[in-house]
Amino acid sequence: GENVEQHPSTLSVQEGDSAVIKCTYSDSASNYFPWYKQELGKGPQLIIDIRSNVGEKKDQRIAVTLNKTAKHFSLHITETQPEDSAVYFCAASRGVLTGGGNKLTFGTGTQLKVEL
Amino acid sequence: ETGVTQTPRHLVMGMTNKKSLKCEQHLGHNAMYWYKQSAKKPLELMFVYSLEERVENNSVPSRFSPECPNSSHLFLHLHTLQPEDSALYLCASSQDETVMGYTFGSGTRLTVV
Repeated sequence: GENVEQHPSTLSVQEGDSAVIKCTYSDSASNYFPWYKQELGKGPQLIIDIRSNVGEKKDQRIAVTLNKTAKHFSLHITETQPEDSAVYFCAASRGVLTGGGNKLTFGTGTQLKVEL
Repeated sequence: ETGVTQTPRHLVMGMTNKKSLKCEQHLGHNAMYWYKQSAKKPLELMFVYSLEERVENNSVPSRFSPECPNSSHLFLHLHTLQPEDSALYLCASSQDETVMGYTFGSGTRLTVV
């Protein structure tokens, strides 16, 4: 089955700096890669996603890049702010399951701390 | 509020108790999921339901029993749990005509004593 590795497990940056979180996946058939942000006491929230036919996607201060050949994808946050502090998860999916639904395999998470 | 509501938010139960977790989604999605989140581990998929039919059971012990009476509601019935089952249980939903990310609820923090 799919295996997703995520690094680093913790990341501290100064406010205004950039943060980069990297993930690798094992299943070459995976074609959908979402990123989630989880704040304390809440469930994970989808912040950006990318499909395998695209190499980069940007939404304001966040961007995701995908290298299908190397089977890795990264989350980039620019101009970090204290409210970006949270746990971030990457995930991978190979598409809709037989019978329906969509199985996401998650990384172990990155605790991002943005310091003033 | 994400559109996926889980109750209760916190639950403490003894190993001989029977309890149920409830999930309700107001998004019109046709697939629902149970995930287990433990410290220092990736989120673990437990069950997938699509159009009220179970399509995946990820080798979950029988002491966890899911139920999906309609496309808006999902339950997880618990009995004879072990302390290692203590975790955050997350419900999610998605619309699977095209592969897309989930909408998660806030989870139920379960403690087994």
